[in-house]
Amino acid sequence: GIQVEQSPPDLILQEGANSTLRCNFSDSVNNLQWFHQNPWGQLINLFYIPSGTKQNGRLSATTVATERYSLLYISSSQTTDSGVYFCAVVDYKLSFGAGTTVTVRA
Amino acid sequence: SQTIHQWPATLVQPVGSPLSLECTVEGTSNPNLYWYRQAAGRGLQLLFYSVGIGQISSEVPQNLSASRPQDRQFILSSKKLLLSDSGFYLCAWSVGDLHGYTFGSGTRLTVV
Repeated sequence: GIQVEQSPPDLILQEGANSTLRCNFSDSVNNLQWFHQNPWGQLINLFYIPSGTKQNGRLSATTVATERYSLLYISSSQTTDSGVYFCAVVDYKLSFGAGTTVTVRA
Repeated sequence: SQTIHQWPATLVQPVGSPLSLECTVEGTSNPNLYWYRQAAGRGLQLLFYSVGIGQISSEVPQNLSASRPQDRQFILSSKKLLLSDSGFYLCAWSVGDLHGYTFGSGTRLTVV
């Protein structure tokens, strides 16, 4: 199956800082999705992004499918951004990376 | 709009007892349905998926089974729970390839 690697595994930020999370995948995929898992376990859709760049408020994502990676940018981080960020690739199913745990300190 | 319901939110069950978790989707037809499990501190693993009524594919051999008795209903079951069945169970749905996957709020199962 497709391998999905996320880096870094853990990230500690001061409120207001910017950060970049990376997702590498081992094969061509139909699509790619970014999720935020909040402290209650809920998986929140952030982006569904096969290629190119999308922006939603302080978050943006870029996928370069030909080079098999995607980046998630968090700007002006807030404490509510804390949680685990998952990248998942789509072929016939959604295959997840191990996640990046983000802690934003006030 | 589409919504997904999953219950119960939390469940504590003794070893050897049966299990039934239910997931229903509203506002869409013919969804693909999925059961995922997340062990503590780890990523998500696909357990079962279904592309239609009565059609179940299993990804990982285990103590669990799934059924889809109606188009928008997906059930995860076990006849006898093991300690290793503890975890966070998430149901998800997708339609086509345009909007991605949407997850329910999950059931946190502890087998004691």
